[in-house]
Amino acid sequence: SQKIEQNSEALNIQEGKTATLTCNYTNYSPAYLQWYRQDPGRGPVFLLLIRENEKEKRKERLKVTFDTTLKQSLFHITASQPADSATYLCALGDYGGSQGNLIFGKGTKLSVKP
Amino acid sequence: GAVVSQHPSWVICKSGTSVKIECRSLDFQATTMFWYRQFPKQSLMLMATSNEGSKATYEQGVEKDKFLINHASLTLSTLTVTSAHPEDSSFYICSATSGASREQFFGPGTRLTVL
Repeated sequence: SQKIEQNSEALNIQEGKTATLTCNYTNYSPAYLQWYRQDPGRGPVFLLLIRENEKEKRKERLKVTFDTTLKQSLFHITASQPADSATYLCALGDYGGSQGNLIFGKGTKLSVKP
Repeated sequence: GAVVSQHPSWVICKSGTSVKIECRSLDFQATTMFWYRQFPKQSLMLMATSNEGSKATYEQGVEKDKFLINHASLTLSTLTVTSAHPEDSSFYICSATSGASREQFFGPGTRLTVL
């Protein structure tokens, strides 16, 4: 069955450092991968989408890579700030079936200490 | 940006009663709406997908007679948890997409507690 893993349940880093979160998947060939931010008791907020034919995507301090050979995506937050503290979810999708149907990982809780 | 609202944000009910949760797209027409359930420290699990004017498609293991979904308009979908039991206590989140975009806009979620 399809499986999606995010490297760790929690990640603690110092303010100003780069946070790197990992998303690995098996038994699946997604057409695209998305990253979301979720704050406690709130719904996820979309951050970035990267397609299978794209290696890297950037948005302000965020960078996402997608390696379909390794079946892995890396999510980087540079110059991290305490306000970046949240749970980050990766989600895989394809173009078949229901439009926008996504499979979510459990998320990694990032804590940025001042 | 696209905004999705949910109502209520939290609800407490007695076992055996039914609870209705509303999901609205406020500034766009949602061709497809999704309903997810999230238990503590778990991933979002898709329950069902609904397109306006048609029956919802339920994921395997989700009882369609227990979780009634109605998507009567392009801006409103409702999820009714019928005869709720304590094991139905969870965080229910809806999302919506518009057109060909793969980006899902999520609502703030509804915390359901069944006593």
